[in-house]
Amino acid sequence: AQSVTQLGSHVSVSEGALVLLRCNYSSSVPPYLFWYVQYPNQGLQLLLKYTSAATLVKGINGFEAEFKKSETSFHLTKPSAHMSDAAEYFCAVSENTGTASKLTFGTGTRLQVTL
Amino acid sequence: DTEVTQTPKHLVMGMTNKKSLKCEQHMGHRAMYWYKQKAKKPPELMFVYSYEKLSINESVPSRFSPECPNSSLLNLHLHALQPEDSALYLCASSQVPGQIYGYTFGSGTRLTVV
Repeated sequence: AQSVTQLGSHVSVSEGALVLLRCNYSSSVPPYLFWYVQYPNQGLQLLLKYTSAATLVKGINGFEAEFKKSETSFHLTKPSAHMSDAAEYFCAVSENTGTASKLTFGTGTRLQVTL
Repeated sequence: DTEVTQTPKHLVMGMTNKKSLKCEQHMGHRAMYWYKQKAKKPPELMFVYSYEKLSINESVPSRFSPECPNSSLLNLHLHALQPEDSALYLCASSQVPGQIYGYTFGSGTRLTVV
């Protein structure tokens, strides 16, 4: 089965600083990877997805991620953090089981943005 | 319409009650999903319906009973739940196959079992 590992359960950055959230995947086939954001007491919002079309993927709210096969990584970045970026971020991998596709999440990284 | 709507938003139920969670989408998606999310944990897959047929059941206890009456609606029937079943229940939908098109999530139903 495919899986993702998020390094760092909690990341703190200053407003205006670079945001880097790490995600590594484990898959024997080309993976389909996603980043979702969850604000307190809300559902999940898709930030971006990698489906093999391009290795650098741009998403919403200024986020982007780069797929690196050699490093089995799909790290999420944003050049300048904003207070509104404070939330829980989940990396996820999707695989087809033969009868349907399923989405499996990493353990999540809580992003704190300080003044 | 690009939303997945879940009702109710909050639910408190006793261990002997029977209740249902509802999920609706009008995006023409033919796959729908139920996830359970405990506090400070990632969502965990419970069920997948593809073309209104149950395709994946992640060994969920029988006190949770899913139903997909049509392509727009997904229900989760609850009966004889335990306090440890208290969680945020998330519904999602996708085109088929989901990994190509991505998954759209609802805002969830926060369930408390007393």
